[in-house]
Amino acid sequence: KAGVTQTPRYLIKTRGQQVTLSCSPISGHRSVSWYQQTPGQGLQFLFEYFSETQRNKGNFPGRFSGRQFSNSRSEMNVSTLELGDSALYLCASSSVDRDQSNEQFFGPGTRLTVL
Amino acid sequence: AQSVTQPDIHITVSEGASLELRCNYSYGATPYLFWYVQSPGQGLQLLLKYFSGDTLVQGIKGFEAEFKRSQSSFNLRKPSVHWSDAAEYFCAVGAYNTDKLIFGTGTRLQVFP
Repeated sequence: KAGVTQTPRYLIKTRGQQVTLSCSPISGHRSVSWYQQTPGQGLQFLFEYFSETQRNKGNFPGRFSGRQFSNSRSEMNVSTLELGDSALYLCASSSVDRDQSNEQFFGPGTRLTVL
Repeated sequence: AQSVTQPDIHITVSEGASLELRCNYSYGATPYLFWYVQSPGQGLQLLLKYFSGDTLVQGIKGFEAEFKRSQSSFNLRKPSVHWSDAAEYFCAVGAYNTDKLIFGTGTRLQVFP
């Protein structure tokens, strides 16, 4: 079974631009979460989506948004990029079987650099 | 509020030595606890998890962790470290009915031959 895939793997943007990152979960997984990883702030939760609905949102400004499609694929968008948005953005998926464990599987991440 | 503390930023051990990485959490209800490992340039790989039951949990790669409610701790252990274990280790806390994880700041493990 293929793992979580994220595209693109690397991205360079300039301040003020916007960016869209994509995540394809493991087949059959309906929950997708996003995290931002930076040296200063560590790993921080961005969003959680289940069946196209945002179920949870982290403490990030409104410039950060996301969505999930009917095939469970997810995208996140960052508008008006700032230098501080440079980070590794990780996507994770889970099968969301609440009778069992909500083990999440992480993708390799998208490395975003804002110049 | 939920929080996770990993007091050791960097640990260095010799290959073959035992290892213990510390993790303390703050959570009002019964926590779901996880240990993840991240190699340079890679995503996170789950080592083990605790939801309920036996407080000593076994994971992959020879790792184990013990949940101690009285100490709010979930320390990761390995009896004999291999050079390939050099990586960054993250402890995380979650909850029922959500995939949201709160991560600790991580412990970077360096292994000397």
